[in-house]
Amino acid sequence: ETGVTQTPRHLVMGMTNKKSLKCEQHLGHNAMYWYKQSAKKPLELMFVYNFKEQTENNSVPSRFSPECPNSSHLFLHLHTLQPEDSALYLCASSQDARPRLEQFFGPGTRLTVL
Amino acid sequence: KQEVTQIPAALSVPEGENLVLNCSFTDSAIYNLQWFRQDPGKGLTSLLLIQSSQREQTSGRLNASLDKSSGRSTLYIAASQPGDSATYLCAVPTQSLYNFNKFYFGSGTKLNVKP
Repeated sequence: ETGVTQTPRHLVMGMTNKKSLKCEQHLGHNAMYWYKQSAKKPLELMFVYNFKEQTENNSVPSRFSPECPNSSHLFLHLHTLQPEDSALYLCASSQDARPRLEQFFGPGTRLTVL
Repeated sequence: KQEVTQIPAALSVPEGENLVLNCSFTDSAIYNLQWFRQDPGKGLTSLLLIQSSQREQTSGRLNASLDKSSGRSTLYIAASQPGDSATYLCAVPTQSLYNFNKFYFGSGTKLNVKP
């Protein structure tokens, strides 16, 4: 257990559906991250939140919409996704977003878009 | 842009062997380097974090070394066990345009330790 939880663990959705992924960290951290892991590709950073403010949007399509209501929770709202968006979505947290700090990862949500 | 490469992509060894996983990066101006383990369909578990000022870190049967000048890190696993079977990832944080943490990951080495 890393102190970072994600729900749901598995999600299957159609291209017209709207769904949300949830991440919660119990570590008292102030920075949270969304990553995408596609088959046979390195992890890609999607979004960074530092003290609830979005500091990075790594050219992510608008069909992915993040939300960080407080330092412990992070959501990824999904709508009108494409089959190529099927991937493992990982959430991480760190004390804050300074580069020297270690990141702790959740177990991920396996997303399948039909 | 930082590029991180891991060699080999896959490795199969009998139980008990000592083995070395390699990670190379193109931009040596790094803050630290982190090794992770990922079991199939699961998240990442942090194994070792080496700060840029350090040469190596040890945790149990794992030893990670860092040579910033040559852009290389190795993860040494002693006396491998079937439970070590997983994908091992290295990650390098760098300053992004907005001066915040941005991790670049390698594609990983998939390790299979046979009983």
